[in-house]
Amino acid sequence: DADVTQTPRNRITKTGKRIMLECSQTKGHDRMYWYRQDPGLGLRLIYYSFDVKDINKGEISDGYSVSRQAQAKFSLSLESAIPNQTALYFCATSDGDRGYEQYFGPGTRLTVT
Amino acid sequence: QQPVQSPQAVILREGEDAVINCSSSKALYSVHWYRQKHGEAPVFLMILLKGGEQKGHEKISASFNEKKQQSSLYLTASQLSYSGTYFCGLRRGGGADGLTFGKGTHLIIQP
Repeated sequence: DADVTQTPRNRITKTGKRIMLECSQTKGHDRMYWYRQDPGLGLRLIYYSFDVKDINKGEISDGYSVSRQAQAKFSLSLESAIPNQTALYFCATSDGDRGYEQYFGPGTRLTVT
Repeated sequence: QQPVQSPQAVILREGEDAVINCSSSKALYSVHWYRQKHGEAPVFLMILLKGGEQKGHEKISASFNEKKQQSSLYLTASQLSYSGTYFCGLRRGGGADGLTFGKGTHLIIQP
């Protein structure tokens, strides 16, 4: 089984809808991250979390919110989706004590129409 | 600020060498290199830390010039499996986490 899983893998939604993307990990890592990837722009950090009680904004947090429900679960919400949030979203984890190598989930492709 | 990667794309024959560069305008704590194949998640290749420590892939080497805030990834005797997009990611330190990635370098290896 995959160490980092994301659900759903693909989602099409309409402008103005609320949507949640979920991430779960079995690696036992304390740190979790959400990135979005747009063609030609690389990956950009949305939010990151050191542990359940510590959540921090990244480069592009406007329009997004997150919840760390447990050490293994980190969800990303779009409160009112807009078309320019159409992107590929990746969750990642790392073990803070072991050098910060990040392990990425398979990604969620989100389309906002 | 996003690091600048060069070149944007490169096409090689199998067995040839490649160098991918990454530069930043800000002081760095560490440089991370990832490879992403089409339709897949990025995969870790290497971390270079201040002070010279490196961790990563056995067949890939890299350098980190702390003074110039530059890193280079060296792919020698390239194999078809090296094709993909390479990203450098910078970690600024100072309590902040997460990586600031460059826009990527597309590498195509031809037989």
